[in-house]
Amino acid sequence: KNQVEQSPQSLIILEGKNCTLQCNYTVSPFSNLRWYKQDTGRGPVSLTIMTFSENTKSNGRYTATLDADTKQSSLHITASQLSDSASYICVVSGGTGTASKLTFGTGTRLQVTL
Amino acid sequence: GAGVSQTPSNKVTEKGKYVELRCDPISGHTALYWYRQSLGQGPEFLIYFQGTGAADDSGLPNDRFFAVRPEGSVSTLKIQRTERGDSAVYLCASSSHGINTDTQYFGPGTRLTVL
Repeated sequence: KNQVEQSPQSLIILEGKNCTLQCNYTVSPFSNLRWYKQDTGRGPVSLTIMTFSENTKSNGRYTATLDADTKQSSLHITASQLSDSASYICVVSGGTGTASKLTFGTGTRLQVTL
Repeated sequence: GAGVSQTPSNKVTEKGKYVELRCDPISGHTALYWYRQSLGQGPEFLIYFQGTGAADDSGLPNDRFFAVRPEGSVSTLKIQRTERGDSAVYLCASSSHGINTDTQYFGPGTRLTVL
């Protein structure tokens, strides 16, 4: 069964600090991996998308890494801001052709405090 | 429009009633997706449209759920004989082509509560 597991489930950090969120997946065949940010009461917003051949991708203070051999990804947030408080969801696309076969993780809830 | 919009933002209904949820995708996007998100969980795929046709409806939980996209733009998710377990946030997303590297742009969701 295709699964995406994320850790930690929740995280509290001080403003200005860095943090790293983890994602392990068992989706096969693998097409691409995405990280989304979801604010409370809002739809998810795409941060990064990586295909099999990409090891890292950055979007501002967000840097995602991918190890397709170990089926692991991480999202590193640098110099956190209060506005980074949200759920971060790892999403893996499997198969070929259509984009419909997305498997979502349950997310890591990040809270950035003063 | 500038983004994906969904109406209503909240819907409260009684068990057994029929509901319709509407999604307006980004103009020009050919692919449209419906997801369901329960509290504390990630979104769960329901159905995917490419143009007017349902390219993949394997995520619909049962025959009480149905979706249409008659003109290849606006889509309506229809739920018959609602049950309390249908309570969730229903998210709609669209992407430009529907290939598996497309970015999916999500709407704010409709929060459905079945009493």
